Amino acid sequence: AAGVIQSPRHLIKEKRETATLKCYPIPRHDTVYWYQQGPGQDPQFLISFYEKMQSDKGSIPDRFSAQQFSDYHSELNMSSLELGDSALYFCASSLGTSAGGTDTQYFGPGTRLTVL
Amino acid sequence: QKEVEQDPGPLSVPEGAIVSLNCTYSNSAFQYFMWYRQYSRKGPELLMYTYSSGNKEDGRFTAQVDKSSKYISLFIRDSQPSDSATYLCAIPKSNAGGTSYGKLTFGQGTILTVHP
Repeated sequence: AAGVIQSPRHLIKEKRETATLKCYPIPRHDTVYWYQQGPGQDPQFLISFYEKMQSDKGSIPDRFSAQQFSDYHSELNMSSLELGDSALYFCASSLGTSAGGTDTQYFGPGTRLTVL
Repeated sequence: QKEVEQDPGPLSVPEGAIVSLNCTYSNSAFQYFMWYRQYSRKGPELLMYTYSSGNKEDGRFTAQVDKSSKYISLFIRDSQPSDSATYLCAIPKSNAGGTSYGKLTFGQGTILTVHP
């Protein structure tokens, strides 16, 4: 079965550079979530999109922005990178809200960002 | 106080042991509770979810909710070395009225090692 695809899998950047992370959801999934997981920490919610509109926002720095495109893939843009941005970034996709039931999120393999 | 708290472990058990993983949560209105498993350098994968109180069994795994104590548990019977991973409890943002969706708030995760 198709899974969530994230690219790149690894990324090394210098401080103050920019980075773009891409997420391709499972086919027919219309909702995308982004999470950040620091070393030894639990994943922290950043932002989500439903049908190409931002649906929720968490602890995402102003230096970060994201969007969901017409084909439902999503990109997380990170500017003025800081050492503390080094983390695993996960994308999850789901079928979105429905009238009742559980909206299961399926996670991608993550992008490991290292800021030097 | 975090919405969900989890015993961080780590936990090391011999193969065949029964493992008990636990979380507490703060909002008595919550009805849906998830357990995710995360292998090293991989994205979290949904193991089980429970709705309201009671038990739910899936093979060697049993999820239990005690709403009176706001306590959720995951039991693993006949643990195997392949069960070695980080286990995360998670609570979705929208969590009532028969529907569960939205961002996930995770517990800190418990690192489990099952040694042969």
